Amino acid sequence: AQSVTQLGSHVSVSEGALVLLRCNYSSSVPPYLFWYVQYPNQGLQLLLKYTTGATLVKGINGFEAEFKKSETSFHLTKPSAHMSDAAEYFCAVSDSGTYKYIFGTGTRLKVLA
Amino acid sequence: EAGVAQSPRYKIIEKRQSVAFWCNPISGHATLYWYQQILGQGPKLLIQFQNNGVVDDSQLPKDRFSAERLKGVDSTLKIQPAKLEDSAVYLCASSLAGGPSRDTQYFGPGTRLTVL
Repeated sequence: AQSVTQLGSHVSVSEGALVLLRCNYSSSVPPYLFWYVQYPNQGLQLLLKYTTGATLVKGINGFEAEFKKSETSFHLTKPSAHMSDAAEYFCAVSDSGTYKYIFGTGTRLKVLA
Repeated sequence: EAGVAQSPRYKIIEKRQSVAFWCNPISGHATLYWYQQILGQGPKLLIQFQNNGVVDDSQLPKDRFSAERLKGVDSTLKIQPAKLEDSAVYLCASSLAGGPSRDTQYFGPGTRLTVL
């Protein structure tokens, strides 16, 4: 069965610093991978997704993620954190058989002034 | 384009009471999903509809949870009777495809249920 592991349930960065949120997946076939962001008391908003093709994917709000098949990773990065980036981030993989989304447990990002 | 709408946004009930949540997906989206998100966890799929038929309800606790999607548009998720462990955010999502696919899912704001 496919699974998603997000390392670090809480990450703190200073404003202006690099944001790196880690996601590793297990899949026996090429996966579709997603990053969603959830602000307090809101639903999930799609940041970016990888389907096929270019392994570096650019998303909204300056975020990007790189699909690395050899490392089974899809880490999310942003060069310079902004206070408004404080939220919870979820990595998800689309199951190859049923196409169901399998979510990680989330990483809560805190941005320090 | 209007997003996925859900109501109510918040609900507090006592255990053993019943509750219903409503979802209106993005216009034209054939597939609708209900997820349960317990605090500190990622969303877990409860049920998936394709038009008005159930595609997957393998993780729906059918002794107390029920859902329907009449006319292939709006959907209602019901819990009867509620238990303390049902306290969670219930998210509705929709996607365009009318069959199995990896279409992007778009999420509503969720309903936060507290069971006392």
